[in-house]
Amino acid sequence: GEDVEQSLFLSVREGDSSVINCTYTDSSSTYLYWYKQEPGAGLQLLTYIFSNMDMKQDQRLTVLLNKKDKHLSLRIADTQTGDSAIYFCAESFSGGYNKLIFGAGTRLAVHP
Amino acid sequence: GAVVSQHPSWVICKSGTSVKIECRSLDFQATTMFWYRQFPKQSLMLMATSNEGSKATYEQGVEKDKFLINHASLTLSTLTVTSAHPEDSSFYICSASRGDLSNQPQHFGDGTRLSIL
Repeated sequence: GEDVEQSLFLSVREGDSSVINCTYTDSSSTYLYWYKQEPGAGLQLLTYIFSNMDMKQDQRLTVLLNKKDKHLSLRIADTQTGDSAIYFCAESFSGGYNKLIFGAGTRLAVHP
Repeated sequence: GAVVSQHPSWVICKSGTSVKIECRSLDFQATTMFWYRQFPKQSLMLMATSNEGSKATYEQGVEKDKFLINHASLTLSTLTVTSAHPEDSSFYICSASRGDLSNQPQHFGDGTRLSIL
């Protein structure tokens, strides 16, 4: 079945890099996404990667995908206090209506 | 800027009231919209997939008569929580994709916090 897992909490020092990890079970996913949620708000799309890609970089964000191990990671360079939020990874599948399966979310805390 | 607008952002009402939540795609046509429910400190649970001009597809365990979905146009979907009770209190979030292609990411609204007294 479809299952996405994430570690629940990550604490980093301001200026350091953050790496948030995600594993998934269904290898038929087409796209994998990273969303950010700040308290009381909806989800903000950060970046996404097609399942046949290994890496995608967008400014401070780097997404790595290991399809063999079904492992996805999000690296945030030079982490700032404004990056404190919950980060969700999600996968979608071809066909149908682009249904997303979400992980439980990783709470990132950035401290001075 | 925001591409999906959700309204209202916060509702407090008495038990037994029906509450309507609107989800609008602002600058694109959304054949498909999605409604999620999120409990505190938990992930999003997909409730239903809303298709323009046809009946919504509900996930297992979601009551169709309780959560009425209408997708009357390509830019608007509504979720009505009928005869709401305290257990319906939650954070409801909608999302929309540009078209129904699998390569179009979902964009989310800011959510509606529903509190039933």
